[in-house]
Amino acid sequence: IAGITQAPTSQILAAGRRMTLRCTQDMRHNAMYWYRQDLGLGLRLIHYSNTAGTTGKGEVPDGYSVSRANTDDFPLTLASAVPSQTSVYFCASSVRDQETQYFGPGTRLLVL
Amino acid sequence: GQNIDQPTEMTATEGAIVQINCTYQTSGFNGLFWYQQHAGEAPTFLSYNVLDGLEEKGRFSSFLSRSKGYSYLLLKELQMKDSASYLCAVMDSNYQLIWGAGTKLIIKP
Repeated sequence: IAGITQAPTSQILAAGRRMTLRCTQDMRHNAMYWYRQDLGLGLRLIHYSNTAGTTGKGEVPDGYSVSRANTDDFPLTLASAVPSQTSVYFCASSVRDQETQYFGPGTRLLVL
Repeated sequence: GQNIDQPTEMTATEGAIVQINCTYQTSGFNGLFWYQQHAGEAPTFLSYNVLDGLEEKGRFSSFLSRSKGYSYLLLKELQMKDSASYLCAVMDSNYQLIWGAGTKLIIKP
């Protein structure tokens, strides 16, 4: 692995289902982030983690949860998906919270 | 509230120069970033400005005026591969990035 990977690449999900989006980085970055990107809007921060074991809420956290059990992994869970969660989800990481962020390839999620 | 404004779309000709503007109003300022995003791909880092002035990096330059809440990205000798969206983002007082909606740049031969 080199950089950040995300899985799945894309997913179609029935409303009400639970879904976990995976994110793994091998750069030993301390900070990690989840964003959603919708047409006509800027990237919006969902949740972040400045270091393993800690997490924080971003601009649009409702309906999402995260965990940071170790440095490398930062999964995002949708407990009960709704159509408004249809979006492209990007995971990013940085050496620490004040540094440049580097992005994974994204997960395209369609909730029907 | 916090706000980042940039034009929705711009068109330029191959070989020419284009300037993409970004104005911002944020709670605090800890730097301004420019990213490039090709359609269907992830954003990739282009430049970072925290002090006033011009930062040059090859064909790309970025300018910042903190007093005016203004930045621009200058692309020279445009190539077809420069067709992409360009995202302006400001790091606020909480070290979170506030993003503009992006400027879609169309390059014509």
